[in-house]
Amino acid sequence: DAKTTQPPSMDCAEGRAANLPCNHSTISGNEYVYWYRQIHSQGPQYIIHGLKNNETNEMASLIITEDRKSSTLILPHATLRDTAVYYCIVRFLSGSQGNLIFGKGTKLSVKP
Amino acid sequence: SAVISQKPSRDICQRGTSLTIQCQVDSQVTMMFWYRQQPGQSLTLIATANQGSEATYESGFVIDKFPISRPNLTFSTLTVSNMSPEDSSIYLCSVGGGRTEAFFGQGTRLTVV
Repeated sequence: DAKTTQPPSMDCAEGRAANLPCNHSTISGNEYVYWYRQIHSQGPQYIIHGLKNNETNEMASLIITEDRKSSTLILPHATLRDTAVYYCIVRFLSGSQGNLIFGKGTKLSVKP
Repeated sequence: SAVISQKPSRDICQRGTSLTIQCQVDSQVTMMFWYRQQPGQSLTLIATANQGSEATYESGFVIDKFPISRPNLTFSTLTVSNMSPEDSSIYLCSVGGGRTEAFFGQGTRLTVV
């Protein structure tokens, strides 16, 4: 699985959009970009994933550059409850291997 | 989706003792995964537990230290044996993540004194 690079921390004002970047310059053509987050003292929670098209769900939007070497997770209206560590993970879809390789992630602090 | 229950949620144990962590899933799954999260660190995979076969351990983790059972398709246990303070971590079980999203339990916060 390709390696990802994320900033260690970011701040965001409550109610504003939080834009979390991720670099994955060695991503291969069949690897997906996944985002998970871990709120303090809880297990990681799936947010969104995509291959090359932008994706949106009820939690967030995922913007993947045309060359797929980077992506941005967008929380459109951040709340205090969005304070968490956000992990960008690049991986193949595999029916035989489901483990995730976690990097250090980005600690997002949403401030009032 | 999958709902995962882990027990205990936290424990404080004496060094040299062992603790068994239980993971119960509300649906049948082929693979279950056990992760460790040391204080202030990210998650590291300990092992993959398939029902009906021996668990597969990642580099740096051995069966004698972290024996795993997988008696059926909805349940698994991880034992942390002969504990030392360095074993103080959060231990999490997980399912899915192959062709679907992964689901995690709330974790077991272990403190070894």
